[in-house]
Amino acid sequence: AQKVTQAQTEISVVEKEDVTLDCVYETRDTTYYLFWYKQPPSGELVFLIRRNSFDEQNEISGRYSWNFQKSTSSFNFTITASQVVDSAVYFCALSDTPGANNLFFGTGTRLTVIP
Amino acid sequence: KAGVTQTPRYLIKTRGQQVTLSCSPISGHRSVSWYQQTPGQGLQFLFEYFSETQRNKGNFPGRFSGRQFSNSRSEMNVSTLELGDSALYLCASRPPGAGMSKNIQYFGAGTRLSVL
Repeated sequence: AQKVTQAQTEISVVEKEDVTLDCVYETRDTTYYLFWYKQPPSGELVFLIRRNSFDEQNEISGRYSWNFQKSTSSFNFTITASQVVDSAVYFCALSDTPGANNLFFGTGTRLTVIP
Repeated sequence: KAGVTQTPRYLIKTRGQQVTLSCSPISGHRSVSWYQQTPGQGLQFLFEYFSETQRNKGNFPGRFSGRQFSNSRSEMNVSTLELGDSALYLCASRPPGAGMSKNIQYFGAGTRLSVL
């Protein structure tokens, strides 16, 4: 069975601080896909990144970076120099279907960036 | 390109009633998935439709149903509403084809349903 754990329920940081959001997953499948989504107050889930299980290369996109480690079943997300606009709920998700059309979500981490 | 559109944005119903929610996917997308988001259970997969056929279904009672039309627009229906059905219902669409760039779901802003 698939499971995604985001142990951090809420995090508050002061603007310009770096923050890391943790994600630990469980799956019996050898091929799977991991995602991060951002949910601002408007409610819409905004896609941030997708990773395949066979690609452990870390990725950086501007102030965002992701660390995927199969050995620890973790897919952590770091925001560098946080900004107030980063305040949102962040969800980590897992899919084991080729089309990734069935996402298992973690419970989310609410990030508040204080100006 | 317009995003995923869900209507209505807000709904208030009473127990026992039924409700229909609508989702228009991004133009060209043929796969539509529905999710329920509640404070207690978080985000849970309801079902997925592709080419008017349900391809995948989550663990929800039969009161939750859906359908997809030939233009890829989708509706979900909840009959005999219960208080616990109060939630944000999110719809997502996926581009056609295979490959990394295709296997991403794009979400709408959701319909917030309140059952009184």
